[in-house]
Amino acid sequence: RKEVEQDPGPFNVPEGATVAFNCTYSNSASQSFFWYRQDCRKEPKLLMSVYSSGNEDGRFTAQLNRASQYISLLIRDSKLSDSATYLCVVNVAGNNRKLIWGLGTSLAVNP
Amino acid sequence: NAGVTQTPKFQVLKTGQSMTLQCAQDMNHNSMYWYRQDPGMGLRLIYYSASEGTTDKGEVPNGYNVSRLNKREFSLRLESAAPSQTSVYFCASSEAGNYGYTFGSGTRLTVV
Repeated sequence: RKEVEQDPGPFNVPEGATVAFNCTYSNSASQSFFWYRQDCRKEPKLLMSVYSSGNEDGRFTAQLNRASQYISLLIRDSKLSDSATYLCVVNVAGNNRKLIWGLGTSLAVNP
Repeated sequence: NAGVTQTPKFQVLKTGQSMTLQCAQDMNHNSMYWYRQDPGMGLRLIYYSASEGTTDKGEVPNGYNVSRLNKREFSLRLESAAPSQTSVYFCASSEAGNYGYTFGSGTRLTVV
C-alpha cells in the first residue's frame, strides 16, 4: 500500500457543483495533514491544514478520520478558478519536518 | 513580500556538467527543503535543513549536495549532471511545528 493514496481523477464538474476528494494514508502515527493545490506548471500552494475536529475555510471543508486513516476535502459551489491538482500531504510519523505527498487529484471545473 | 525565491527558472545542462540551484527565503523560517517533482512520482524530498547549520538527507539524495549558507539561503548542487536528474526542482521553507510549506516557483532542469 502506498503511504498516501489519492484518486488521480480527473474530476470534471460544472460550475456550482459540490465535489469531494478522499485521501488515505498508511501510517497511523502521522500527526499533521494538509491539502495543497497545484496549478499546471506552478508550485504547490497550501490550501489548508486538516485538524482532528475538521475545519472550514469559505467554500472548502477538510475532515480527518483517524480510525479509517483518511482525510477528505469538500469544495462547494465550484468556480472555474478551482481547476487544479489537489495534493494530499501527511507528515512522516515522528517528524513534522518531513512530509509525504500524494500524487494529486485533478479537478476541472467547466462552464 | 517575495517569500521563497529560486534561481534559475530554467536550465539545460549537458551530461557531466555541474550547477548550483539557489534558494532564498525572507520569512525568517528555520527549516528549508529541496524537492524534485517528476510525472507519476509526485514530490520527493532530496535534502532538508531543519535549522541553520544542519542538513539531512531526504528520500532521493544521491547525486546532490546542499549547503545551508545562512538562515535565509539553501543551495542545491549537482556535481555531475545525469539525464535522470531532468526534473522540476522546488525549494520550500517552513516554520517549525504543524505549519505548511511555502514553495519557490521552481527550476525546470533538462540534462541532455
